[in-house]
Amino acid sequence: AQSVTQLGSHVSVSEGALVLLRCNYSSSVPPYLFWYVQYPNQGLQLLLKYTTGATLVKGINGFEAEFKKSETSFHLTKPSAHMSDAAEYFCAVTPQLYTGTASKLTFGTGTRLQVTL
Amino acid sequence: GAVVSQHPSRVICKSGTSVKIECRSLDFQATTMFWYRQFPKQSLMLMATSNEGSKATYEQGVEKDKFLINHASLTLSTLTVTSAHPEDSSFYICSAATSGVLSYEQYFGPGTRLTVT
Repeated sequence: AQSVTQLGSHVSVSEGALVLLRCNYSSSVPPYLFWYVQYPNQGLQLLLKYTTGATLVKGINGFEAEFKKSETSFHLTKPSAHMSDAAEYFCAVTPQLYTGTASKLTFGTGTRLQVTL
Repeated sequence: GAVVSQHPSRVICKSGTSVKIECRSLDFQATTMFWYRQFPKQSLMLMATSNEGSKATYEQGVEKDKFLINHASLTLSTLTVTSAHPEDSSFYICSAATSGVLSYEQYFGPGTRLTVT
């Protein structure tokens, strides 16, 4: 079974400041890990994902995340926040099990990022 | 990323009527489609998993006779809310997914806002 914990339901940063959104996961097998962003009244957009290989993953809009197995973490960062980054961010996990069909994602509760001037 | 469309984006219906929502994977063949429901300021709640050509698997607590899911092809799934009631009003999001050995993709549609009056 998998679970995801996102620490901080609300995070507020100043424009230009570092963005750090925390995600810890629990998985009994090696995981695939994802970060999605959701703007109001829209679906989810994939920011980045970790499947295998390099543990530092770069995504769209300047975001990146690092898979740390020893810490069971996959925190999302961006060096400099922009007003357009204000949105809801979801971390998700699914097991690395190939069965011929896609397994379901387990989502965290989400973190609302506010960017202030 | 891949494009997933949903139609309609917004629908208002009277209590007791049925509503069909279409989800299409426009540029890749999805082995699996998922249907989610999202309440305001909350994370996504998985309703059901649908694999092409087989019956959908519903999550605990989701009424299969009320939320009919059809997955006719690798690019099309439909959700029909039967005999809708005001408590069914919500934001419904579909996703299309595929996985292989050491790979996994899941892309989300833009969502459908259902209002039952």
